[in-house]
Amino acid sequence: QKEVEQNSGPLSVPEGAIASLNCTYSDRGSQSFFWYRQYSGKSPELIMFIYSNGDKEDGRFTAQLNKASQYVSLLIRDSQPSDSATYLCAVNMATDKLIFGTGTRLQVFP
Amino acid sequence: GAVVSQHPSWVICKSGTSVKIECRSLDFQATTMFWYRQFPKQSLMLMATSNEGSKATYEQGVEKDKFLINHASLTLSTLTVTSAHPEDSSFYICSARGGLAGRPWNEQYFGPGTRLTVT
Repeated sequence: QKEVEQNSGPLSVPEGAIASLNCTYSDRGSQSFFWYRQYSGKSPELIMFIYSNGDKEDGRFTAQLNKASQYVSLLIRDSQPSDSATYLCAVNMATDKLIFGTGTRLQVFP
Repeated sequence: GAVVSQHPSWVICKSGTSVKIECRSLDFQATTMFWYRQFPKQSLMLMATSNEGSKATYEQGVEKDKFLINHASLTLSTLTVTSAHPEDSSFYICSARGGLAGRPWNEQYFGPGTRLTVT
């Protein structure tokens, strides 16, 4: 079992729709969770982080964490073509390492 | 704030030569820096963790004698790929953790990456 799992996609959504990206992790001791966006050929940039169960909203982005189910998600409202990128879920393991999922490629079409 | 730079942004070298990549935290002191490698269409794989003034901790399967890491100051870490071969061609990304005020203590700030091509 991979430590951090994501569906590779592509996830295609029309402009203005909600994009839902999911991630599961294996280490129950994980404490913090990050979502990064990576454009092709570029390094990752932080979108959101979440530590506590529940929802955390920042503009068009909402991160959701359920530690009991070992599940974290990212919702993007009013998706824009500029949101088209690969979204990486990263989990800070109990070992203090940041482990990345393989990423989900999101395509927002006009 | 929290800007990390890498140099060079891309490099082409011949097989058997060595290449040094620099990672600098420009506006904060980084107690810990990380080196990742990313192959096409794959995720970031942690290579090593570097703490200022001490030896780097390498991940399983990463050859420490091939990937030399030096973290001589709180703002600079270097990765030297020794005797590079075509299979070392990849996108190398560093990150720095500095515990900036108001930010998560374990947030990592990523450099722009260095694309290495070994011919």
